[in-house]
Amino acid sequence: AQTVTQSQPEMSVQEAETVTLSCTYDTSENNYYLFWYKQPPSRQMILVIRQEAYKQQNATENRFSVNFQKAAKSFSLKISDSQLGDTAMYFCAFMKHGNNDMRFGAGTRLTVKP
Amino acid sequence: GAGVSQSPSNKVTEKGKDVELRCDPISGHTALYWYRQRLGQGLEFLIYFQGNSAPDKSGLPSDRFSAERTGESVSTLTIQRTQQEDSAVYLCASSSLTGHPDLYFGPGTRLTVT
Repeated sequence: AQTVTQSQPEMSVQEAETVTLSCTYDTSENNYYLFWYKQPPSRQMILVIRQEAYKQQNATENRFSVNFQKAAKSFSLKISDSQLGDTAMYFCAFMKHGNNDMRFGAGTRLTVKP
Repeated sequence: GAGVSQSPSNKVTEKGKDVELRCDPISGHTALYWYRQRLGQGLEFLIYFQGNSAPDKSGLPSDRFSAERTGESVSTLTIQRTQQEDSAVYLCASSSLTGHPDLYFGPGTRLTVT
């Protein structure tokens, strides 16, 4: 079974600064996807970024980027130029390719302070 | 078209009553998921549908929980003889089995068992 671990229950960052959220996972699979989802206080889950394991290049989406270390089974999220609207729970997730069964970590609560 | 919708948005019920939660996925999405999120916690996988069959029911916490799906459309999650520990937000998500495997989430149903 695949497990996803987020070791930081809570983090905070000053507006305009950079913050990195950690995620590790355990799998014997070689082909899979990794995701970061954001859940603001409104509780609607929103996809932030996706990484395909066969791609060596780290995914980026505007201010969001990942550091994907396949051998170390690590998938961290970097948020640059943090904004107040980034305040949310952030969930790391894993999906085995061809399986469509997505499993989530416990989440990290991020607070961006003015 | 529209995103994933769920109804009701909030449900308060007495212990021992049965409840039905509904999910309308994005049109054309073959895969449909149910997750449970207790207050301040991560997402607990309940069940996954591919079309109207459920290849993975491993997450259903007890035989009081059941789910069905009509074709590639609406799904209902039924909880019989509700208990206070069933209080949570129930999230539904859908995805296409072609293209990107991203899950699109609904706004959730907050269930409170008194």
